[in-house]
Amino acid sequence: QKEVEQNSGPLSVPEGAIASLNCTYSDRGSQSFFWYRQYSGKSPELIMSIYSNGDKEDGRFTAQLNKASQYVSLLIRDSQPSDSATYLCAVNVAGANNLFFGTGTRLTVIP
Amino acid sequence: EAEVAQSPRYKITEKSQAVAFWCDPISGHATLYWYRQILGQGPELLVQFQDESVVDDSQLPKDRFSAERLKGVDSTLKIQPAELGDSAMYLCASSSLAGVGTDTQYFGPGTRLTVL
Repeated sequence: QKEVEQNSGPLSVPEGAIASLNCTYSDRGSQSFFWYRQYSGKSPELIMSIYSNGDKEDGRFTAQLNKASQYVSLLIRDSQPSDSATYLCAVNVAGANNLFFGTGTRLTVIP
Repeated sequence: EAEVAQSPRYKITEKSQAVAFWCDPISGHATLYWYRQILGQGPELLVQFQDESVVDDSQLPKDRFSAERLKGVDSTLKIQPAELGDSAMYLCASSSLAGVGTDTQYFGPGTRLTVL
């Protein structure tokens, strides 16, 4: 079983819609959770970090964490064509002191 | 804004040749990571340094890969000899500390390696 799992997509949404990206993880001791955006051919860029159960909002982005169910999600409101990218979920597994990444979900926002 | 620097950005080499990648982390960041990202997959950790010491190199193919961070600042990752399967993006990241709330990793632009 992989440490971090994401739906590979692709996920397509119309411009202005809400995009919902999901991620599950296997280690119950995980404490730090991150969402990165990666444009084709570029390196990952940090969007959000979340450490506590609940929601964390930053502009059009909202990260949601549910440790009991072992999932973390990212909502993108008012999606724009510039949001078209691969979104990587990363989890700091307890005791490993580094990040495990999912395979990423490719998002396409259709104008 | 401080950034992680990497060079070269692109490298094309023939199999059996040696290649080296360089990384300069954000100033003051004690922890440095090298990742490999194969197309269509997430980054996978190769080696992690805390200052000049290796913290985790369990996934580093030590028969051909080596990494060093001699003065605890910049770092070099070497592959010798390169194989066709080494074609990937090599990413360097740094964080100020390892631990909850301080473990946010910032990535450099990466080095795209193509082995022919």
